[in-house]
Amino acid sequence: QKEVEQNSGPLSVPEGAIASLNCTYSDRGSQSFFWYRQYSGKSPELIMSIYSNGDKEDGRFTAQLNKASQYVSLLIRDSQPSDSATYLCAVLDSNYQLIWGAGTKLIIKP
Amino acid sequence: GAGVSQSPSNKVTEKGKDVELRCDPISGHTALYWYRQRLGQGLEFLIYFQGNSAPDKSGLPSDRFSAERTGESVSTLTIQRTQQEDSAVYLCASSLPKASGASYNEQFFGPGTRLTVL
Repeated sequence: QKEVEQNSGPLSVPEGAIASLNCTYSDRGSQSFFWYRQYSGKSPELIMSIYSNGDKEDGRFTAQLNKASQYVSLLIRDSQPSDSATYLCAVLDSNYQLIWGAGTKLIIKP
Repeated sequence: GAGVSQSPSNKVTEKGKDVELRCDPISGHTALYWYRQRLGQGLEFLIYFQGNSAPDKSGLPSDRFSAERTGESVSTLTIQRTQQEDSAVYLCASSLPKASGASYNEQFFGPGTRLTVL
């Protein structure tokens, strides 16, 4: 059974600090990795995609991928209360199936 | 351009009735997915369509659930003889075809249909 694991949280971070969200996956042949943000009562919204080892930055968001260790992380710099949401990690496995994590609830405290 | 649209946004039905949910994908997106999300839970894959290929129905929870899609257009998810356990948000997503390379496989979600079975 291919799995994507996330800490369910809630992860509480003070406003202005860096929020670090982590995700591990079991299929070593996985090829594409995605972070979605889901506000309460809303549908998931794609915020970052990463395909190769290393860091990918987009504004306050940085995705980090380490295929050798089979983890992907999302860093949010200068966290804002509007970043409070559930963050879903999704991994495209070697069979082109998208496997979803259960999500980490992030709370940014003013 | 227009995103994924779903209708209705809310549906309240009585136990035992049939319901039909609709999804209109992003133009040019040949892949279409249906998910179920119960309150406070993660995404549960239901079914996947890719062009004219046979759909992947491996996630459908029972034979009361079915879905159709004509070509690369609108899809409908039908739940027959609804049960209270079917209450959830039903999400539709579309993407370019499964393939390697950047931007493929990025799924874009519609706003969902909130189904309540009384």
